[in-house]
Amino acid sequence: GAGVSQSPSNKVTEKGKDVELRCDPISGHTALYWYRQRLGQGLEFLIYFQGNSAPDKSGLPSDRFSAERTGESVSTLTIQRTQQEDSAVYLCASSLGGRSRNEQFFGPGTRLTVL
Amino acid sequence: AQTVTQSQPEMSVQEAETVTLSCTYDTSESDYYLFWYKQPPSRQMILVIRQEAYKQQNATENRFSVNFQKAAKSFSLKISDSQLGDAAMYFCAYRSASNDMRFGAGTRLTVKP
Repeated sequence: GAGVSQSPSNKVTEKGKDVELRCDPISGHTALYWYRQRLGQGLEFLIYFQGNSAPDKSGLPSDRFSAERTGESVSTLTIQRTQQEDSAVYLCASSLGGRSRNEQFFGPGTRLTVL
Repeated sequence: AQTVTQSQPEMSVQEAETVTLSCTYDTSESDYYLFWYKQPPSRQMILVIRQEAYKQQNATENRFSVNFQKAAKSFSLKISDSQLGDAAMYFCAYRSASNDMRFGAGTRLTVKP
């Protein structure tokens, strides 16, 4: 596609349920990033993929969060046993490579609401 | 760890006027990149401008320019001839050579007609 896409755009779930968020990066982009944005706040880095390996998982807030990526394509962010504090917009971004100067292109985000 | 601080939660500017958004950061590294992103209500983050730390010359993109003061660890964004479409949240971001990316809390810019 022309840009980064994310699905679903909105997700409402009950506390304790698992959720899976999907990111489709721009074709050819080897680097992929997940961020969390709480209401009225900046972006919180979660994880970075170069290809299908994740050299930096330091931002994942707890072991309830995990992510995987198939090749240099789709990535899924899974949150197990969701808590109300997980409510946020989850943004995905991709870039041509891992070089610092490469622009990150962002998806529209998934708004997660945990009741 | 690197931190990015945007001290202005909200700013407003009259259409056609100039506004400056502030950003400071803290790092012990010498090689890094700085970015300003814009996030309109649609949530889509859009890159506005980027600056390589090794370049002394301030980056410029049309009506957008930065004042990069490396010694002071300051990276402000100037928007000239403000337009209604400039209204958005603006985020300052720091990216290290190892791809560690940090964002500030954002500044909400309102443009008054």
